[in-house]
Amino acid sequence: GDSVTQMEGPVTLSEEAFLTINCTYTATGYPSLFWYVQYPGEGLQLLLKATEADDKGSNKGFEATYRKETTSFHLEKGSVQVSDSAVYFCALTRGGSNYKLTFGKGTLLTVNP
Amino acid sequence: GAVVSQHPSRVICKSGTSVKIECRSLDFQATTMFWYRQFPKQSLMLMATSNEGSKATYEQGVEKDKFLINHASLTLSTLTVTSAHPEDSSFYICSAEPPGGAGDTQYFGPGTRLTVL
Repeated sequence: GDSVTQMEGPVTLSEEAFLTINCTYTATGYPSLFWYVQYPGEGLQLLLKATEADDKGSNKGFEATYRKETTSFHLEKGSVQVSDSAVYFCALTRGGSNYKLTFGKGTLLTVNP
Repeated sequence: GAVVSQHPSRVICKSGTSVKIECRSLDFQATTMFWYRQFPKQSLMLMATSNEGSKATYEQGVEKDKFLINHASLTLSTLTVTSAHPEDSSFYICSAEPPGGAGDTQYFGPGTRLTVL
């Protein structure tokens, strides 16, 4: 079945550091890929997405490129801020009648001033 | 953005009792709602898909008689954990999808922490 594997956390960085959170997936066909973010006390929010191979999703300074050859969708940000502290989830969907989302385990990011 | 609320945010109950969790879409009508369960340090696992006015579709391995889902209106879905036991302790999260939406338009609630003593 479908699965998503993302790097174990927690990740602790200083402000303005470079961030990479690795994500790889297993799925048949051509899934759509997502990164969701969950800030403390809030629900998951869509951060960015990519629906085709080589697509780059971007939002709020975060980027991720859909790499079909390596089945990866790594999240990157060049300079993190304290406000980026949150849990990040990689996810995929293969569409269909109800667009079931398959999530990774989540990675807790803490950014210190 | 669209808001989805869950109530209660935390609940502690005794073993054998039933607990109801509400999921509401506050500013849009949701024809489809999803219920997820999350164990510590684990991913969100889809439990069931709920469509307004019809029976929920449960994922394999989820006991439909234990986790009762009702989606009686376009803005409210409820999950009732019947005869709860300590192994049901978990974080339950709902999401709601607006009409005509794709997977990336699911809006998530903040979750409900259930502890069964």
